[in-house]
Amino acid sequence: SAVISQKPSRDICQRGTSLTIQCQVDSQVTMMFWYRQQPGQSLTLIATANQGSEATYESGFVIDKFPISRPNLTFSTLTVSNMSPEDSSIYLCSVERQDRGLYNEQFFGPGTRLTVL
Amino acid sequence: QKEVEQDPGPLSVPEGAIVSLNCTYSNSAFQYFMWYRQYSRKGPELLMYTYSSGNKEDGRFTAQVDKSSKYISLFIRDSQPSDSATYLCAMSDNQGGKLIFGQGTELSVKP
Repeated sequence: SAVISQKPSRDICQRGTSLTIQCQVDSQVTMMFWYRQQPGQSLTLIATANQGSEATYESGFVIDKFPISRPNLTFSTLTVSNMSPEDSSIYLCSVERQDRGLYNEQFFGPGTRLTVL
Repeated sequence: QKEVEQDPGPLSVPEGAIVSLNCTYSNSAFQYFMWYRQYSRKGPELLMYTYSSGNKEDGRFTAQVDKSSKYISLFIRDSQPSDSATYLCAMSDNQGGKLIFGQGTELSVKP
């Protein structure tokens, strides 16, 4: 398995400001993911972050709004820029571990609960 | 239309009941089908995964996939209060990478 920590665990921010969320893994992993979980909605992938390359963003998400860094194989950050109340959500990072079996399991961090006023 | 549909519940059952959780999907390319459990204020954790169609059993949990109907199920036998959580189905067309999640079903098992 993988142990993942996120900072901060929660925050309340003012509209127009930015927040950087950190994700730390206890072992080296190639692929890290950032998801958003809005109230009453399903987890939605924001972007995939591989070390040494630019993050790949899903449709509806752009780098200017959600810049991502991946400086090494155990750490990543997601910034939520120029926040509005619609950005209030839980943000989760996950990592993928290659299994000897058929499937590469994803392990999730505890999430960062963001409220934008 | 969402790619994955899941009844959000909430679902409340007495201890010992059999629970049935279901998802439907529209993308016939999905090959990997997962069930995650998420306790309050925690990240999702993988319960089971199934590749293609068929059944898979793990203790009190059974996962079923019917690709012809684009329908997956998770059964929980002899449900316990500790099973109270949100259950999310997830799917992928690849061995790894992007997961498409259902909305999640909130389950409460009453002692």
